[in-house]
Amino acid sequence: DADVTQTPRNRITKTGKRIMLECSQTKGHDRMYWYRQDPGLGLRLIYYSFDVKDINKGEISDGYSVSRQAQAKFSLSLESAIPNQTALYFCATRATTDTQYFGPGTRLTVL
Amino acid sequence: DAKTTQPTSMDCAEGRAANLPCNHSTISGNEYVYWYRQIHSQGPQYIIHGLKNNETNEMASLIITEDRKSSTLILPHATLRDTAVYYCIAGGTSYGKLTFGQGTILTVHP
Repeated sequence: DADVTQTPRNRITKTGKRIMLECSQTKGHDRMYWYRQDPGLGLRLIYYSFDVKDINKGEISDGYSVSRQAQAKFSLSLESAIPNQTALYFCATRATTDTQYFGPGTRLTVL
Repeated sequence: DAKTTQPTSMDCAEGRAANLPCNHSTISGNEYVYWYRQIHSQGPQYIIHGLKNNETNEMASLIITEDRKSSTLILPHATLRDTAVYYCIAGGTSYGKLTFGQGTILTVHP
């Protein structure tokens, strides 16, 4: 089984809908991250969490919210989806010395 | 994170060594060099990292110059499955954010 899983893998939704992307990990890492990737661009950090009680905004948090339900679970929500949130979304967990392990990604399309 | 410069694209013949360069002239003394790769929109995959010494693992070798201003990732026997975008990252923040640049598109051909 994969160490970092993301659900759903693909999602098409309409403008204004609320969407939740889920991430689970079995690596036992405390730190978890949500990134988005747009075509031809690098990954940009949305939110990160050091533990269940610690949530921090990244560089592009507007329009997103997160929930850290347990050490192993970190969810990303789009409260009211808009077309420019169409992107690939990646969850990651962190080991020591900044080595991160990424999930397979969720391809989100907002119509 | 220190700024990194990588070639936009490189080609390599299958079975040959792929040598991917990276410049990070502004790297500070306690910043690591990390290499990740991304195969066709999959999640980035960690390859290797180092601080000062050369490093080797089952995937690749990392050669860091003595002044630490540049490094080279070596895939010793490239295969078609090594075709990917390779990212060199210098730094890493206190909260673990990695800054991914444009990377190098490596194409391994038969």
